Amino acid sequence: GQQVMQIPQYQHVQEGEDFTTYCNSSTTLSNIQWYKQRPGGHPVFLIQLVKSGEVKKQKRLTFQFGEAKKNSSLHITATQTTDVGTYFCADEGTSYGKLTFGQGTILTVHP
Amino acid sequence: DGGITQSPKYLFRKEGQNVTLSCEQNLNHDAMYWYRQDPGQGLRLIYYSQIVNDFQKGDIAEGYSVSREKKESFPLTVTSAQKNPTAFYLCASMRQSNQPQHFGDGTRLSIL
Repeated sequence: GQQVMQIPQYQHVQEGEDFTTYCNSSTTLSNIQWYKQRPGGHPVFLIQLVKSGEVKKQKRLTFQFGEAKKNSSLHITATQTTDVGTYFCADEGTSYGKLTFGQGTILTVHP
Repeated sequence: DGGITQSPKYLFRKEGQNVTLSCEQNLNHDAMYWYRQDPGQGLRLIYYSQIVNDFQKGDIAEGYSVSREKKESFPLTVTSAQKNPTAFYLCASMRQSNQPQHFGDGTRLSIL
């Protein structure tokens, strides 16, 4: 079945440093969704990328979809303590309505 | 205020006991999902339903059962056959394909 790999599993940064998490697949991704889960909370949708090479920005967050649609990345510029949480990528693939989630990257920001 | 409501927030199960987790949504979404999350892990799909009176197994359906008698409701039963049920259970809904999933606050299930 489809597998979505996410790296790194953990990332510790000092406040103000940048952070990037990567999402990779051996098969072509149909569209990529990114979610954030705060500690003790539930996943919250951040953004969806559909087109090859697409780049979207949300304030300090930059999302990219690879040209071959086999990878995606989330970059946070100048992290803040409010960025703490787990970031997941997910892809629907060829399974209508069924998302395959990456294992997530747990971000810790030290003040 | 539209959303997904999961109850209870915390649940304890005795050995050999079945327990049912509630999930209700008022978003008028057709599709609903149940995920299991273990500490520090990603989300694994248990069951999903794209329409009333129909549901499909996900990746880890063994030891679980569901029903979808109403569009708004998608309860999950953790049966005694599930030998390691301690986890965080998340319910989600989605309007249609290629749309975001909306999650409830989750239920934490523990074994007594």
